[in-house]
Amino acid sequence: DAGVIQSPRHEVTEMGQEVTLRCKPISGHDYLFWYRQTMMRGLELLIYFNNNVPIDDSGMPEDRFSAKMPNASFSTLKIQPSEPRDSAVYFCASSLVGGTGNEQFFGPGTRLTVL
Amino acid sequence: DQQVKQNSPSLSVQEGRISILNCDYTNSMFDYFLWYKKYPAEGPTFLISISSIKDKNEDGRFTVFLNKSAKHLSLHIVPSQPGDSAVYFCAASSYNTDKLIFGTGTRLQVFP
Repeated sequence: DAGVIQSPRHEVTEMGQEVTLRCKPISGHDYLFWYRQTMMRGLELLIYFNNNVPIDDSGMPEDRFSAKMPNASFSTLKIQPSEPRDSAVYFCASSLVGGTGNEQFFGPGTRLTVL
Repeated sequence: DQQVKQNSPSLSVQEGRISILNCDYTNSMFDYFLWYKKYPAEGPTFLISISSIKDKNEDGRFTVFLNKSAKHLSLHIVPSQPGDSAVYFCAASSYNTDKLIFGTGTRLQVFP
């Protein structure tokens, strides 16, 4: 199995530009999670989906952030407009089931730099 | 507010010795705890977990201890190897949610 796939691996953009991060979960996994990693806050959950439906977006920092999952094999996280403080590593993860202790499988991450 | 805290940002241990990584939590509703390991330029990978009904879980060189009264857990690695050098994240979840709450991570360096 290919694991969770994320693209691009690195993104450098200028403040004010739109950024789109992409994720392909492991086939058959019903849950998809978007995280952001920073030194200060560690791994923060931004939003997660179950069967393509957003369940909890309470971690999305601002209206500039949006996420979609049009089908079981694809999700996007969009930032519009981007700001320098959005610079971080963004991870996508998927899991077969939800509930207590569900093992999440992470992609390699997208390192975003906003100048 | 950090519900899961890893107060040591880094730890350096000699090869062959024991590595002890610590994690504290504040939410008494957490009933399952996990440790993830992350190498540079890779995503975190699951390492070991423990349910709140246990106080110890062992898997090879890795042992996790849970002290519910102190809301504290620790990961012991014995013996430590250079390949264990990575960032370790502690995570917690509760029975009524699909979410994992992660700490800020501890960078472990094992030197020869």
